[in-house]
Amino acid sequence: GQQVMQIPQYQHVQEGEDFTTYCNSSTTLSNIQWYKQRPGGHPVFLIQLVKSGEVKKQKRLTFQFGEAKKNSSLHITATQTTDVGTYFCAGRAGNMLTFGGGTRLMVKP
Amino acid sequence: EAQVTQNPRYLITVTGKKLTVTCSQNMNHEYMSWYRQDPGLGLRQIYYSMNVEVTDKGDVPEGYKVSRKEKRNFPLILESPSPNQTSLYFCASTATGGGNYGYTFGSGTRLTVV
Repeated sequence: GQQVMQIPQYQHVQEGEDFTTYCNSSTTLSNIQWYKQRPGGHPVFLIQLVKSGEVKKQKRLTFQFGEAKKNSSLHITATQTTDVGTYFCAGRAGNMLTFGGGTRLMVKP
Repeated sequence: EAQVTQNPRYLITVTGKKLTVTCSQNMNHEYMSWYRQDPGLGLRQIYYSMNVEVTDKGDVPEGYKVSRKEKRNFPLILESPSPNQTSLYFCASTATGGGNYGYTFGSGTRLTVV
């Protein structure tokens, strides 16, 4: 079945440093979504990318969808303590949305 | 407020005692799904429903049942819970299809089976 791999699993950064998480799918995706889960919370939808090579920005967050529609990345510029949490990608193929394992971001003030 | 409501938030039960986790959404969403979240394994889909009376297995359906008799409700049933079903469970809904729109998640149910 479809597999979505996400790396790294954990990332510690100093506040102000940049952060990137990568997502790779075993199959070509129709779209990819990104979610953020704060500690003790539930996943919250951030954004969806649909087109090959698409780049979207939300303030300090930049999302990219690969040309082959099999990979994606989330980059956070100048992290803040409010960015702490686990970031999940989720790739759609057919009627299934498959989540990656998530990257847990920890930010030292 | 648009939301997905799960109950209970926390549940401790004994092996073999049937239980139901309820999920309700007020957004008139067609698609609903159940996930379990375990450390290091991310979110794994248990069952999903494309619409009323239409349900299908996800990646890890063994030991679970669901029903979709009304559009707003999608309960998760564990007929005979076992300790390996100890997990954090999330219900989610979206407007239509399997991933054309972002999912709205409930607050989660932390289940412990002893």
